[in-house]
Amino acid sequence: AQSVTQLDSHVSVSEGTPVLLRCNYSSSYSPSLFWYVQHPNKGLQLLLKYTSAATLVKGINGFEAEFKKSETSFHLTKPSAHMSDAAEYFCVVSVKDSNYQLIWGAGTKLIIKP
Amino acid sequence: NAGVTQTPKFQVLKTGQSMTLQCAQDMNHEYMSWYRQDPGMGLRLIHYSVGAGITDQGEVPNGYNVSRSTTEDFPLRLLSAAPSQTSVYFCASSGTSGMIPNTGELFFGEGSRLTVL
Repeated sequence: AQSVTQLDSHVSVSEGTPVLLRCNYSSSYSPSLFWYVQHPNKGLQLLLKYTSAATLVKGINGFEAEFKKSETSFHLTKPSAHMSDAAEYFCVVSVKDSNYQLIWGAGTKLIIKP
Repeated sequence: NAGVTQTPKFQVLKTGQSMTLQCAQDMNHEYMSWYRQDPGMGLRLIHYSVGAGITDQGEVPNGYNVSRSTTEDFPLRLLSAAPSQTSVYFCASSGTSGMIPNTGELFFGEGSRLTVL
């Protein structure tokens, strides 16, 4: 069965320091992977996607993620956190054998300390 | 450029009442879906549609009904509200890619916060 695990429910970093949000997936097929962001009391927005092209994917607002098949991971990173990055982040997988329905992680809340 | 529009933004219901959450998109997307979001549980798919006249159940369909008479609109009906349906509801749409019904690039509405007393 396909699944997505976000390894941390909360991550707290200081402004200006690197961000790492961890995501592992399980899938029988080559997946498409996504990160979405949800700012407080807002809808969700696509941050970046991996669809079997380059393994390092760049997204909006300086975020990037690297697909590592051997580790079944798709961690999200940013070199320097900004106060406006405070939000909840969701890792999502789409696989052929689930009729391309999206499987969502539980989310990681990113807290930025001034 | 409206994107995905949901109404109402807030609603309070009593147990047993029925209501409809409205969702409209102006991007000519074939794929539309409804999710509910509860703390610590991510998003759970309620129902989805891959085109006008075609709907299917998601992960948590019980107590909800949908129809898709036009490409633009995808209303979600709560038949007899229960406190367990207190949640934030999101409508989302996506384009298609060949035989793939949704590209995974979802466009979300701003959500409808429902409280059932």
